[in-house]
Amino acid sequence: DARVTQTPRHKVTEMGQEVTMRCQPILGHNTVFWYRQTMMQGLELLAYFRNRAPLDDSGMPKDRFSAEMPDATLATLKIQPSEPRDSAVYFCASGPWTGGGNEKLFFGSGTQLSVL
Amino acid sequence: KQEVTQIPAALSVPEGENLVLNCSFTDSAIYNLQWFRQDPGKGLTSLLLIQSSQREQTSGRLNASLDKSSGRSTLYIAASQPGDSATYLCAVTPRGYQKVTFGTGTKLQVIP
Repeated sequence: DARVTQTPRHKVTEMGQEVTMRCQPILGHNTVFWYRQTMMQGLELLAYFRNRAPLDDSGMPKDRFSAEMPDATLATLKIQPSEPRDSAVYFCASGPWTGGGNEKLFFGSGTQLSVL
Repeated sequence: KQEVTQIPAALSVPEGENLVLNCSFTDSAIYNLQWFRQDPGKGLTSLLLIQSSQREQTSGRLNASLDKSSGRSTLYIAASQPGDSATYLCAVTPRGYQKVTFGTGTKLQVIP
């Protein structure tokens, strides 16, 4: 079965360190989302891309977060420097935008980030 | 700004009971609405998708309805089973497929 692959599954790091999370979207999906999930805020949209172009990253703290799609098979989310408040589960999701209205969103298993 | 609310936040029912989960959204200009299931420590799995032009969708024991004019969707689960225990989230996609907004979820526990 096609699936969204995220690495690493778990990451523990110290405050101030750089963190890079990777996502391989489902082949053929042209839209990729990054979400952050916490108990307090639920699922927050950080950024999303269509055809590798960033459409919106207004949900990200610009001074420390960056998101890119170097190619159609890889999306990255970087945090530099990391802070304890960044501790959360980060999800990548992909979907096929066709304009038909029936495009489902497929999620990866997430990266559990703990910043000490 | 689209806001999505789910009530109740948590629900506990005995096995076999039929139940309804609610989702409300503030902007009716939507493209579609999806219901997801999330198991602890896992990602989200899409259960049902209702397009803007549709009123409901069914999959097995699940039925989702959509009333855009009132900004509401419901997920009906028939004959609940312990395996249905999970968090259920609804997500609204606005026109243009941008900024898919999620509700905070309803945590369901089905007691054997």
